[in-house]
Amino acid sequence: AQSVTQLDSQVPVFEEAPVELRCNYSSSVSVYLFWYVQYPNQGLQLLLKYLSGSTLVKGINGFEAEFNKSQTSFHLRKPSVHISDTAEYFCAVSEEYSGGGADGLTFGKGTHLIIQP
Amino acid sequence: DTGVSQDPRHKITKRGQNVTFRCDPISEHNRLYWYRQTLGQGPEFLTYFQNEAQLEKSRLLSDRFSAERPKGSFSTLEIQRTEQGDSAMYLCASSLLGGRARETQYFGPGTRLLVL
Repeated sequence: AQSVTQLDSQVPVFEEAPVELRCNYSSSVSVYLFWYVQYPNQGLQLLLKYLSGSTLVKGINGFEAEFNKSQTSFHLRKPSVHISDTAEYFCAVSEEYSGGGADGLTFGKGTHLIIQP
Repeated sequence: DTGVSQDPRHKITKRGQNVTFRCDPISEHNRLYWYRQTLGQGPEFLTYFQNEAQLEKSRLLSDRFSAERPKGSFSTLEIQRTEQGDSAMYLCASSLLGGRARETQYFGPGTRLLVL
């Protein structure tokens, strides 16, 4: 079974500064990796995903993430954050199987990104 | 594409009552998922459907929980004899297996349940 660890429960960052949110996963098979963002009292919105190919993935709102298979990591980065980026960020994994689809996602506990003016 | 919708958005009930939630997936999506999210935690997978078939259930889904997707479109999640520990946000997601957007799950806004 897969698992996801988000090492930081909260990350405070000043506006316009860069940020990195860390995610490590554990799985015995090939995986798909995702980052979702959740604004207060809302559902989850997909930021970006890694399925295969290039290990650097670009997403919406200027975010990007890099898949590192040897370190089993999928850290999320943004070079300059804005106050509107304040939200909860979830890393998630699903295991690839021969059917070619994905089953239920396994999520980390989330990282609360706090942007300070 | 109107997105995934869920109804109701909020539900307050007394312990021991039954509640039912509805999820309408993105049209043409053949997979539908239910998750539960408690405060300060990430969503936890409960169950999913491919068309009308329920293909997987988590051990979190006790026998008080039942989900259906009778015509392969909308789905309902019923909780019988609710307990205070059932208080959570219940999220629905849908995806298209085999399509261009495969493996991406699109989430609804959730139903927040409070059991008193």
